[in-house]
Amino acid sequence: NAGVTQTPKFRVLKTGQSMTLLCAQDMNHEYMYWYRQDPGMGLRLIHYSVGEGTTAKGEVPDGYNVSRLKKQNFLLGLESAAPSQTSVYFCASSYAWGEAFFGQGTRLTVV
Amino acid sequence: GESVGLHLPTLSVQEGDNSIINCAYSNSASDYFIWYKQESGKGPQFIIDIRSNMDKRQGQRVTVLLNKTVKHLSLQIAATQPGDSAVYFCAENQAGTALIFGKGTTLSVSS
Repeated sequence: NAGVTQTPKFRVLKTGQSMTLLCAQDMNHEYMYWYRQDPGMGLRLIHYSVGEGTTAKGEVPDGYNVSRLKKQNFLLGLESAAPSQTSVYFCASSYAWGEAFFGQGTRLTVV
Repeated sequence: GESVGLHLPTLSVQEGDNSIINCAYSNSASDYFIWYKQESGKGPQFIIDIRSNMDKRQGQRVTVLLNKTVKHLSLQIAATQPGDSAVYFCAENQAGTALIFGKGTTLSVSS
């Protein structure tokens, strides 16, 4: 049972480039989340989804877009990357509000 | 805005000692609390959780205490081992919201 899988694990982008982070879960969870983790800041919620076809903004949504076309996948897009988006990105999923299961993270550097 | 925070960013203990990691929360409407452990290079992993109708919950070597009067949460680890070295996060939510994380405490265990 793979749980939550994030692709890619590492990426370096130039300022202004775009990219998509993929999250896949095999637990049939309805809820999925994208968090970013910065030193000394804990995890901050970017966007989340409570079901296929739905998305909502979290605490720090600016500069990101998301899509949930399939229940098992949650995509995070950066349209024009900025150095301030250098971070470690975590995807998570849950059956309902509450305990969330996390992926291994994607380390993104924007130069 | 309201957030969950931790009292100390770092905690150093000797192997075999008991560890206590503290967390203060500000949202009195929160009714679910959870502790996560994050090892270097990995995603957060569930340790233990507690609902607001409880004061204490025990797991294997871990105990979570909740004091709603002063909005304080603590994680106690018995007989701390080197493998317990990690960053510990508390998180909270209420129905209809995603988990909000504190900034984390780094636990270092020396032999």
